[in-house]
Amino acid sequence: GQNIDQPTEMTATEGAIVQINCTYQTSGFNGLFWYQQHAGEAPTFLSYNVLDGLEEKGRFSSFLSRSKGYSYLLLKELQMKDSASYLCAVLTGGGNKLTFGTGTQLKVEL
Amino acid sequence: DAGITQSPRHKVTETGTPVTLRCHQTENHRYMYWYRQDPGHGLRLIHYSYGVKDTDKGEVSDGYSVSRSKTEDFLLTLESATSSQTSVYFCAIREGRSSYNSPLHFGNGTRLTVT
Repeated sequence: GQNIDQPTEMTATEGAIVQINCTYQTSGFNGLFWYQQHAGEAPTFLSYNVLDGLEEKGRFSSFLSRSKGYSYLLLKELQMKDSASYLCAVLTGGGNKLTFGTGTQLKVEL
Repeated sequence: DAGITQSPRHKVTETGTPVTLRCHQTENHRYMYWYRQDPGHGLRLIHYSYGVKDTDKGEVSDGYSVSRSKTEDFLLTLESATSSQTSVYFCAIREGRSSYNSPLHFGNGTRLTVT
């Protein structure tokens, strides 16, 4: 089976940096995705990692350690609009199935 | 915009009635998915399709069936709706030619309430 863990909630200050962690135990691994979901909206794709290391994309970066079953999403220069749920998802099943964690609700405060 | 349309956007139905949700795409993607999203559970895969008439089960497939008779449409059917199937249902498509780094793109969701 698949097990993906993320903190339920986090709070951070506008302009700061926040790191959202994700640990996973899966049978088979074809990569890890991060999605952002604002309340009442569909999830939108942020990043993909399959090799160990850091992928940077503007204010957002994502890190992966396959040996540790661990990833994090780093958000810099936080803005109020970054208040959303952040979903970690692991690709398995020969690359056909994307299994999601329960998401981390991030609240950005002034 | 990945060209995904879900219908209906909202539906209220009674326990025991059949319900069909439709996902329509305009860009000829091979892979299509149905997820449900519930508080405390996140997004859970119901069924997915990897081509016309080719489907497979996800982790919460009991009580649901799917059909894909043409590339652009993927239908999710609740044969006899139950209150536990009250949820938000998302359809997703996968871009690219089955490469692992192809992300899923989601439709706007269908909010289903079973009374």
